[in-house]
Parts: sequence; structure tokens; C-alpha cells
Amino acid sequence: EPEVTQTPSHQVTQMGQEVILRCVPISNHLYFYWYRQILGQKVEFLVSFYNNEISEKSEIFDDQFSVERPDGSNFTLKIRSTKLEDSAMYFCASSGGAGGPSSYNEQFFGPGTRLTVL
Amino acid sequence: AQSVTQLDSHVSVSEGTPVLLRCNYSSSYSPSLFWYVQHPNKGLQLLLKYTSAATLVKGINGFEAEFKKSETSFHLTKPSAHMSDAAEYFCVVRALTGGFKTIFGAGTRLFVKA
Repeated sequence: EPEVTQTPSHQVTQMGQEVILRCVPISNHLYFYWYRQILGQKVEFLVSFYNNEISEKSEIFDDQFSVERPDGSNFTLKIRSTKLEDSAMYFCASSGGAGGPSSYNEQFFGPGTRLTVL
Repeated sequence: AQSVTQLDSHVSVSEGTPVLLRCNYSSSYSPSLFWYVQHPNKGLQLLLKYTSAATLVKGINGFEAEFKKSETSFHLTKPSAHMSDAAEYFCVVRALTGGFKTIFGAGTRLFVKA
């Protein structure tokens, strides 16, 4: 069964450093998403990406964050200068929807990358 | 505006007894509703979804949920809990509100006692 994969599973970094979290969505999916879950808190939407551009982003997704689909298979989240409060589990998700965006489309989630900022 | 409230942060049941995880939602538009499960160190797995078809939705692993518009609820149930059901469960609402918004509930941790 196809699945979303994420690497690394755990990333430790120093405050102020750049990190790149990587995701491989399901191959025929068209919509890609990043979410984060700070320990003990809700899963929060960060950004969605379609047709090589951001389609939606939340207030959390400020100028420190960027996303990219560099090679047609990977989908990356970059945090330019990490802060302590960026420590969280980051989930990538993808969904199909060749017919256009729909609230019905199931999002398939990866296992997450736990980011720890020291 | 959209919101999701999972009424219990923790639920504890004995193996073989029924499970009820409660979820209430608020949405200005016709929403799609989902339940996801998260086992330790695993990703989020879809249990079931409601997308304006049948109000009683059957999912994987014996779970089902009923969409009740009058009560704005989408409670998750299972007739008989199994030890492997112990996990975190998330109720999710998704609707077109100036772009598709996906809102997660805070989660309910299910404990299953032998």
C-alpha cells in the first residue's frame, strides 16, 4: 500500500540553525501539506501546496518557513533560523484530487519528524 | 468559523466493552469530518470519514461514527474494545471557508485495560 514517508524521524538542532525536513508524498497525489504538533498540543495546519505553489498557509507559517518540491518526488519544509518554540512533531500529508480541490479528499499522513531545537 | 471539540482528553475502557469518543464541531459550511488514529511513534491513520453521504459511517477495525447535524456531533464508537485500540484519536473537520481549512481536535487518548 502506498504511504507517505518522512526523513529524518528525529532531528536535533541548535537554535538559529537551518533545518530541512523531507517528505516523499504518495506518487500520484497532487496536494501536499505540512502540519505540526507541539508536545501536548493540537495538530496545527502550516501550509498546503499545489501546482508548485503555496495554496494556503496559516499564521504560523511566517517568513522563517518555506516549502519546495525540488524534484517531483520530494516535498520539503525549511525552517531558516530555528527557535526553541519550533520544537515539535512535523507531519507531512498528501492527497489526490485530480478533479480539483475538495474537502472530501482524504489526507494521507507520514509518520512525522520530531524536531528538537536546543 | 470552524472549530472542533473533543469532549474527553482521556477515555479508559476495559477490553471487550464499548468505546465512545465524543466530538462536536462547528462549521459555517457543509463540512467533511474525519477520525484519525495515532499509535505511538506512528503517523496519523484515517479511521473513517463523512462526506455528506450516509450519516452512519463505517470505518476500519470495527469503528463507526454517526454524523448528527442537529447536535453538531460526530462521535466515534466501537462495540468491543481491543487492546490494540489503545492510541490517540483525532476528530478533524475540513470545509471550504475561503480556501480549505483543516482543523484538528485536541485528541482523545484511549486506554484499554485487560
